[in-house]
Amino acid sequence: TQLLEQSPQFLSIQEGENLTVYCNSSSVFSSLQWYRQEPGEGPVLLVTVVTGGEVKKLKRLTFQFGDARKDSSLHITAAQPGDTGLYLCARRTGTASKLTFGTGTRLQVTL
Amino acid sequence: DVKVTQSSRYLVKRTGEKVFLECVQDMDHENMFWYRQDPGLGLRLIYFSYDVKMKEKGDIPEGYSVSREKKERFSLILESASTNQTSMYLCASSWTQGIGELFFGEGSRLTVL
Repeated sequence: TQLLEQSPQFLSIQEGENLTVYCNSSSVFSSLQWYRQEPGEGPVLLVTVVTGGEVKKLKRLTFQFGDARKDSSLHITAAQPGDTGLYLCARRTGTASKLTFGTGTRLQVTL
Repeated sequence: DVKVTQSSRYLVKRTGEKVFLECVQDMDHENMFWYRQDPGLGLRLIYFSYDVKMKEKGDIPEGYSVSREKKERFSLILESASTNQTSMYLCASSWTQGIGELFFGEGSRLTVL
């Protein structure tokens, strides 16, 4: 059972545009992580959000954790080709060390 | 830097063959994981291990087994490969303490003919 739905599934934009991707769950989660996977590589952690309503910024990336802790968003300002990749959200389930991943959003940024 | 190394980037096997995927991490992590990645489905957990010789089933363990004889090494075994096991396989490791960040290998793309 897929517990985390991400939208959109695919996104193709031009350099300089802004975008937002979403991660939604029907249940509350204690924390959420965002990973980025570049072609030919494994996913790499971008951020962990823990508190409802929390906002974290990582250069041009802004991560928000919903007040009810059932959803999260990632906003990218002035996208660059280097932002191209698969963006995955992940939540802890059951045993503390286990992560369940979302379906992913594949982003392509062109010149 | 943490390094998770998967033994093969690309494998092609025939239906019914036994397949071994090896993973080694160099950071003394307690936890190790095997995920399967398919388009539109994200990453799905096959098995994980939180200690030597310990293992737990993930969400899709059918058709797979694992072995962890040493802390740094976690192997995924397909006893009799089938075409529906054609996929990208990702190994990851993490510490038990802390935020639970997963460190991934580069992946092993398996094609079963």
